[in-house]
Amino acid sequence: DTAVSQTPKYLVTQMGNDKSIKCEQNLGHDTMYWYKQDSKKFLKIMFSYNNKELIINETVPNRFSPKSPDKAHLNLHINSLELGDSAVYFCASSQAGTIGETQYFGPGTRLLVL
Amino acid sequence: QKEVEQNSGPLSVPEGAIASLNCTYSDRGSQSFFWYRQYSGKSPELIMSIYSNGDKEDGRFTAQLNKASQYVSLLIRDSQPSDSATYLCAVNSGYALNFGKGTSLLVTP
Repeated sequence: DTAVSQTPKYLVTQMGNDKSIKCEQNLGHDTMYWYKQDSKKFLKIMFSYNNKELIINETVPNRFSPKSPDKAHLNLHINSLELGDSAVYFCASSQAGTIGETQYFGPGTRLLVL
Repeated sequence: QKEVEQNSGPLSVPEGAIASLNCTYSDRGSQSFFWYRQYSGKSPELIMSIYSNGDKEDGRFTAQLNKASQYVSLLIRDSQPSDSATYLCAVNSGYALNFGKGTSLLVTP
């Protein structure tokens, strides 16, 4: 069984569109994350979310918004897509309070904005 | 700004040799350190975690941590061509992981 899954795997869209990426984890974890990996392969945190708080990396534009319908899901909604949003977006999850709070990553969503 | 620094490589080692990957970090308060392996087009996969000073061994992998020097390393013994990948050093920043830019490892037959 897949631990952390994302849909879609690939997303090609036009500038200015609004799109969503979905993430689900079946690990029973209480904290989920969104990371962005740019063309230079640099992996950077965008959001951290559990049922108590959302922590936002201050560099993330407010066009990006996480939405969590329940503990097992954290979706990423992006408004008014720009060329610079093209990247691979990874969802991850962990269990708060565990040693190190090891994070497990989903397969990634490759977004291309034309 | 909490930073994690890695040599981007590529680091090329012959099959069977020891590959040594290094990482330094700026946040003295960091307590948890991780090495992830990422194959091209794939997601990061956890290789090792380390929380205490010293060495931690798991199969062919050994992680080393020196908090005083703010330094963490990964040794891969008996390197195999299948170890060719990008190795990401990650440090727990308190609410998420701060990643280095990764070191590209190439193991040549």
